[in-house]
Amino acid sequence: DAKTTQPTSMDCAEGRAANLPCNHSTISGNEYVYWYRQIHSQGPQYIIHGLKNNETNEMASLIITEDRKSSTLILPHATLRDTAVYYCIVRVPGDNAGNMLTFGGGTRLMVKP
Amino acid sequence: EPEVTQTPSHQVTQMGQEVILRCVPISNHLYFYWYRQILGQKVEFLVSFYNNEISEKSEIFDDQFSVERPDGSNFTLKIRSTKLEDSAMYFCASSEGMWSDETQYFGPGTRLLVL
Repeated sequence: DAKTTQPTSMDCAEGRAANLPCNHSTISGNEYVYWYRQIHSQGPQYIIHGLKNNETNEMASLIITEDRKSSTLILPHATLRDTAVYYCIVRVPGDNAGNMLTFGGGTRLMVKP
Repeated sequence: EPEVTQTPSHQVTQMGQEVILRCVPISNHLYFYWYRQILGQKVEFLVSFYNNEISEKSEIFDDQFSVERPDGSNFTLKIRSTKLEDSAMYFCASSEGMWSDETQYFGPGTRLLVL
């Protein structure tokens, strides 16, 4: 898996958009960008993933730059329950690495009232 | 919404004892995984399993660990002789396939404490 770089921590005001950046400058052409989050010590929760195009679902939006070297996860209206560690992971679906996910340190997002 | 379930939520055991952690993956998923997270550390991959075989394992997954799908619904992780350093959260995950939808969905975890 390509290496990702994320800020260690970020704060966001409740109700505002949370924009979480991720750098993946060594990403290969067929590597997807996945985002997960982990609330306290709960199991990682899938948020969204994408390859080239921007993606949106009921939880978040994923903006991937044209050169694919970075991406931003957007939580449009952050709530206190969005306080968590957010992980950006790049990987190739179906590669011979057994589909393992390699978690880094992630970004600890603190949503404040 | 289908989800991965794990039992027990907490397990306390004595060093040297065997433990079995259980997982029920999402019903139509074919790929199964175990990860662990030592307190304060990153989530680490242990093993992936498909078609009743291990498809990949990490260096952590040594001879003390084994996985099994004993029936059509359960997926288990066994630690034969637990060590203090096995204390961690253990997460099971499953995915539908390898080529189409590869999203891995995680269970809530089992907190294992080895005394």
